Amino acid sequence: RKEVEQDPGPFNVPEGATVAFNCTYSNSASQSFFWYRQDCRKEPKLLMSVYSSGNEDGRFTAQLNRASQYISLLIRDSKLSDSATYLCVVNEDNAGNMLTFGGGTRLMVKP
Amino acid sequence: GAGVSQSPSNKVTEKGKDVELRCDPISGHTALYWYRQSLGQGLEFLIYFQGNSAPDKSGLPSDRFSAERTGGSVSTLTIQRTQQEDSAVYLCASSFPSDLLGNLAKNIQYFGAGTRLSVL
Repeated sequence: RKEVEQDPGPFNVPEGATVAFNCTYSNSASQSFFWYRQDCRKEPKLLMSVYSSGNEDGRFTAQLNRASQYISLLIRDSKLSDSATYLCVVNEDNAGNMLTFGGGTRLMVKP
Repeated sequence: GAGVSQSPSNKVTEKGKDVELRCDPISGHTALYWYRQSLGQGLEFLIYFQGNSAPDKSGLPSDRFSAERTGGSVSTLTIQRTQQEDSAVYLCASSFPSDLLGNLAKNIQYFGAGTRLSVL
């Protein structure tokens, strides 16, 4: 079983739609959680950290459910420029320095 | 520079040759990571350096792969006797160690643009 699992997609949505991705992780001791974005043939870049209480950054909302060990990312009012692969990232190391990346969920926003 | 720098950006080599990939992390970042990403696949962890500690080599796929980090800054990843299955993008990332930051900022890794390796 993979340590961090994501639906690979692709999620094909029209502009303006709301889309949500989930990610599950296996290590209950994980402490830090992130969503990264990776554009085609580019490096991953941090989109947002995920805090225990949930957090919002503009059109993006991240939630953490420790009891069920999943993380979600909600994108409202999708833009064409949101098309990318979204990577769920979890620290699995007790020392806090190692990150485990999910395989990514591909989003395609269509006009 | 402000970000993680990797060179070369592209490398084409013949099967059986050795290659060296370079990573220059963000100044002050003591943690450095190498990953590999094959076309359409997720990130595969290779090796992790933290300060003067022994590196975590648990992700290296074979003994043809090795990495060094001299002076706690620049790192080189060496692949000996390259094989076609080594073709991938090799990504380097750096971060502050988590014990020097507050909880909200720790572990964030910043990536270089990668080296695209093609083994013919």
